[in-house]
Formats: sequence, C-alpha cells, structure tokens
Amino acid sequence: AQTVTQSQPEMSVQEAETVTLSCTYDTSESDYYLFWYKQPPSRQMILVIRQEAYKQQNATENRFSVNFQKAAKSFSLKISDSQLGDAAMYFCAYRSAYEGNTPLVFGKGTRLSVIA
Amino acid sequence: ETGVTQTPRHLVMGMTNKKSLKCEQHLGHNAMYWYKQSAKKPLELMFVYNFKEQTENNSVPSRFSPECPNSSHLFLHLHTLQPEDSALYLCASLAFRDSQDTQYFGPGTRLTVL
Repeated sequence: AQTVTQSQPEMSVQEAETVTLSCTYDTSESDYYLFWYKQPPSRQMILVIRQEAYKQQNATENRFSVNFQKAAKSFSLKISDSQLGDAAMYFCAYRSAYEGNTPLVFGKGTRLSVIA
Repeated sequence: ETGVTQTPRHLVMGMTNKKSLKCEQHLGHNAMYWYKQSAKKPLELMFVYNFKEQTENNSVPSRFSPECPNSSHLFLHLHTLQPEDSALYLCASLAFRDSQDTQYFGPGTRLTVL
C-alpha cells in the first residue's frame, strides 16, 4: 500500500519570503499522480498543484512550484512571495494512475502560518 | 467554488438520531468519494462510487450507509453514531477520463455527535 509522509507538522514564514514544505511517499508503482491541496480555515480543500510522475519537468502554478525527485520519492512544495492568504493546512497526496477511480492517499498535513 | 456542494454544512445529532449528508456535483464527473477528516489524523477514505456502483468500502462501520442514486448525487446516511464519529466529512468527485485527473472537493459537513 502507498503511504505519504509529511514530516513537518507546522511551519511558519514571513510575508513575502519563500517557504518549502516537504513530502515523501512510498510506492512500488511507476505511474502515478502527486498533488498538493490547501485547506484554509474554511475547511474547503483546494487543489494547489499537480504533478504526473512520468513528467520530469517540475510543475509550477504562479507562486507555487514543486521539486519532484522520483528516485528519492520526494515531492516538496515551494511557496514564493508568501502572502497572508497562504496560511492554511497543506496536504500532500498520492494517486495511482493504474485504475480510473482510485482514491487519494493523504499525508497528515503541514500547518503553515504566515507572519506579517 | 469547486462545483461540488455539500449540505448541511454543520450537523449536530444525538446517538439515536438518523440523518443524511448530501453531496452534489454538476461537473459531469463519473466517480464520487466520501472521506472522513478527524482531528490530528490523515484524511480517511470511506467509500468510492464509480458510475453509481460502489467500488470500494474501506472497512467502514455499518452505521454509515452510502447511497448514489445517480452520477451527480451522493448521500451518506447516518444512524446510531458514536461520539468518536464526530469529524469533518468531505465529498469529492473525479472525471477519470478527464486529462486533469483531479479530485475536486466539496466544503465538507462538520458533524458533531453528542
């Protein structure tokens, strides 16, 4: 079974600075997807960024980018120019690509605080 | 707004009550999911429906009963719950033929069992 580990329960960053959230995963599969979701106090789970395992290029989405290291099974999220609205729980998630409707496997999350 | 709605947003019920949670998506997705989010635990998958057919039941107690009458609606029927069932219940949907292959979540129902 796949597992996702987020080793940082809490992180903080100064506004306008850069922060990196760590995620590692364990799988024997070669084709899969990785995601970062953000859950603000409203509890709405919002997709931040998505990476296909077969793509070597790291995904980017505006101020958010990932460092995907397939051999190391590492998938970190970098947030640049942090804003107060970035404060939230961040979840790393894995999804197998072998079956159409396989569910997500989530890490325990990292709570990010942004200091003004 | 993700296109997935859940009602009610908050629910307080006693252990002898029967209630239902509703999830609705108008994204044309063909798979729907129930997840449970408890404090200090990872999100736990409860049920998966694919084209209205349940394809996965993740060892969920029978006091939780899902229903998927069509591909746009998903219910979670609750009866004789326990206080430890208090949690945020999240619904998600997916179009696995969509190139994005991404689950979209509803806002959740915050359930408190007294």
